[in-house]
Amino acid sequence: EVQLVESGGGLVMPGGSLRLSCAASGFNFNNAWMSWVRQAPGKGLEWIGRIKNKLDGGTTDYAVPVKGRFTISRDDSKNTLYLQMNSLKTEDTAVYYCTTALGGKQPGDGYWGQGTLVTVSS
Amino acid sequence: DIQMTQSPSSLSASVGDRVTITCRASQGIRNDLGWYQQKPGKAPKRLIYAASSLQSGVPSRFSGSGSGTEFTLTISSLQPEDFATYYCLQHNGYPPTFGQGTRLEIK
Repeated sequence: EVQLVESGGGLVMPGGSLRLSCAASGFNFNNAWMSWVRQAPGKGLEWIGRIKNKLDGGTTDYAVPVKGRFTISRDDSKNTLYLQMNSLKTEDTAVYYCTTALGGKQPGDGYWGQGTLVTVSS
Repeated sequence: DIQMTQSPSSLSASVGDRVTITCRASQGIRNDLGWYQQKPGKAPKRLIYAASSLQSGVPSRFSGSGSGTEFTLTISSLQPEDFATYYCLQHNGYPPTFGQGTRLEIK
């Protein structure tokens, strides 16, 4: 069974930093392309970035609103995905979800964690 | 960015009804589209991938169709647990983009 468990959310002041983690199990994490998606309170879903598997280069892509401030990384030895968030703004307040390959067609694709809430406020 | 426009934005229906939700892309996306269901306070759950393929474990009353710019999600006979918000997601162009959501409510 695919399981994704996010952690690391909380209250942070504008301009601050936070690192989210996503512990993965139940599928071959090493081969997976992984994404982060967020949802502001009462709003829709927003893709914020993706990391490929090492075989495909391990490269990352980011949405414009977070590019240069957020960094996605992975530790395949720990089956864990990370989201480093710097220079946080109030508009970054959201529930952050990690996901397996959003468009993938393999059995472990399209799964989401339960989310972790990040609140950016003074 | 590719814009995804869902309609309707909200919908009232009864248990047993057949319901259709539409998603239109601002440009052709082949069949690179998925449908997601989200219940309050929960993570989204993928129902359909590649426009018409049913995710494992999802009831067969859910179906998807379409290609290019117009797509539909159909629920053949609404069940009480289907009342939720539904989103489409395109992953043909970067960045991947979601529709604004369709809130399905009990009539």
